Amino acid sequence: DARVTQTPRDKVTEMGQEVTMRCQPILGHNTVFWYRQTMMQGLELLAYFRNRAPLDDSGMPKDRFSAEMPDATLATLKIQPSEPRDSAVYFCASGLGGHGELFFGEGSRLTVL
Amino acid sequence: GEDVEQSLFLSVREGDSSVINCTYTDSSSTYLYWYKQEPGAGLQLLTYIFSNMDMKQDQRLTVLLNKKDKHLSLRIADTQTGDSAIYFCAPDLGGSQGNLIFGKGTKLSVKP
Repeated sequence: DARVTQTPRDKVTEMGQEVTMRCQPILGHNTVFWYRQTMMQGLELLAYFRNRAPLDDSGMPKDRFSAEMPDATLATLKIQPSEPRDSAVYFCASGLGGHGELFFGEGSRLTVL
Repeated sequence: GEDVEQSLFLSVREGDSSVINCTYTDSSSTYLYWYKQEPGAGLQLLTYIFSNMDMKQDQRLTVLLNKKDKHLSLRIADTQTGDSAIYFCAPDLGGSQGNLIFGKGTKLSVKP
């Protein structure tokens, strides 16, 4: 049963620490998205990749966030330094370019104290 | 920028029909999607409609599209307690290769 895998599922950290979230997209999918979900803002697109190339990261605070795809089986989202306002659930989703059927991971819940 | 609006909450009784409404601004959307999010989980695709259709039925689900008014709705017939979840309207950004814009979601509560 193919699925998107995200780690960690839960992370509690202190302000100023570095946080790295990882995502394994479904094998064969060529687009990967990072979203952030909060009660106030809903689901916000942070970045997306097609064939490992970043296509849009305009939703991401550039001074502290970075997203990469070192290879086709791994996408990472890094926050350095983390701040309390970064507390949210971060979702990774993958799909086949050109179609909006996205497969979401179960999310990484981040709490920054 | 492009925007999607949904009401935040809907409460219905088990067995009734639920109608979740959505308005959007991008007139070039090709496909419009409905996603469902159960508590503690990621989003799952529920159904979608192509922009040249005005209705699509899939078992208990009916999607209506009024392209002129940029209005999309999802009707769930015979709503069950297992339908309690957050429902997201998500039109694609025209020509965007699968990039969707999500509404804030409508939380559906089904009372027994």
